Amino acid sequence: GDSVTQMEGPVTLSEEACLTINCTYTATGYPSLFWYVQYPGEGLQLLLKATKADDKGSNKGFEATYRKETTSFHLEKGSVQVSDSAVYFCAPAVNSGNTPLVFGKGTRLSVIA
Amino acid sequence: DAGVIQSPRHEVTEMGQEVTLRCKPISGHNSLFWYRQTMMRGLELLIYFNNNVPIDDSGMPEDRFSAKMPNASFSTLKIQPSEPRDSAVYFCASSFQSGEQYFGPGTRLTVT
Repeated sequence: GDSVTQMEGPVTLSEEACLTINCTYTATGYPSLFWYVQYPGEGLQLLLKATKADDKGSNKGFEATYRKETTSFHLEKGSVQVSDSAVYFCAPAVNSGNTPLVFGKGTRLSVIA
Repeated sequence: DAGVIQSPRHEVTEMGQEVTLRCKPISGHNSLFWYRQTMMRGLELLIYFNNNVPIDDSGMPEDRFSAKMPNASFSTLKIQPSEPRDSAVYFCASSFQSGEQYFGPGTRLTVT
């Protein structure tokens, strides 16, 4: 079946450090890919998405590129801030249309000043 | 748009009591999802609806759990009777065809 493997945390970085959170998936076809972020005490929010191969999703300084060859969608940010401390979830869509996303286990990021 | 609305935000109840969680999806969205999140098990999909029809309830843990969607703007998740191991944060999410889901703020349930 479809699944997603996400880098395990927790990840602790100093402010302005570079961030990479790895995500690989298995799926039939070419699903849309999403990253969600969950700040403490809140629900999940869509961070960015990519819908086809080589697309790059970006938002708030975060980027992720849809790599069909390696079935990966790694999340990157060049300079993290304390306010980026949250849990990040990788989520491929199994099929187009209204079917559930498959969420990774989440990676907790802590950024210290 | 107000986003996905969930109520109550917090619920504390005693074991054996009935609990009803409520969700109002974003207007115009035609799919609705119920998730449960715990430290031990992470984020679990319980059930989802398309056009008010339950499509997959294989994630519902036991017969004590039930969900309904009587119309496009309202859904409930009921636990009867509740048990301490049901303590978790329950999220509702909705979407419109793109796969992109929008989550509510969650209901934190504590069963003592």
